[in-house]
Amino acid sequence: KNQVEQSPQSLIILEGKNCTLQCNYTVSPFSNLRWYKQDTGRGPVSLTIMTFSENTKSNGRYTATLDADTKQSSLHITASQLSDSASYICVVSRSYNTDKLIFGTGTRLQVFP
Amino acid sequence: DAGITQSPRHKVTETGTPVTLRCHQTENHRYMYWYRQDPGHGLRLIHYSYGVKDTDKGEVSDGYSVSRSKTEDFLLTLESATSSQTSVYFCAISEMSGSLSDTQYFGPGTRLTVL
Repeated sequence: KNQVEQSPQSLIILEGKNCTLQCNYTVSPFSNLRWYKQDTGRGPVSLTIMTFSENTKSNGRYTATLDADTKQSSLHITASQLSDSASYICVVSRSYNTDKLIFGTGTRLQVFP
Repeated sequence: DAGITQSPRHKVTETGTPVTLRCHQTENHRYMYWYRQDPGHGLRLIHYSYGVKDTDKGEVSDGYSVSRSKTEDFLLTLESATSSQTSVYFCAISEMSGSLSDTQYFGPGTRLTVL
């Protein structure tokens, strides 16, 4: 079964600290993996997209890694800010069609001062 | 929200009534999508459109229909709303499908409650 699992479900950190979110998938065939940020009451916003040949991709303080062999991805947030409080969603594309996106349930991150 | 608006933003309705949600884009993107988001589930695709009058079903299309008469508008209709359709509905757009660099841009969402 094609699935995307994220851990932890929720995370609380202090402002300025780093954190890492995990994503494991069993989607096949694999095309690409995306990370989205979703603020409360808003739609998701794309952070990164990686293909199977890319190991790392950065977007400011966000760094995503991908291990296509173990089917794992992580999103590392450096020097967290209060504005990082959001849900982070891992999305895997089964093929080259965007109607084949499999969404994870997200990790809820809360950053406290 | 990348030139995407959804209306209404909130709606409360009763079981059995018809409901239409509207998505409007100003980006002239070819592809448009309707998703629903429920606790414990990832976003799930309801229907999508790859051009004017061209639509296809997604993962959870039962009980929903869509129409796209203009590039900028994509309507989602619940012919007879049920409590199981209580959810947050998101519209998304993308310039192309099949590209490895394709990105979907999401609207602000519509919270629908069916009593």
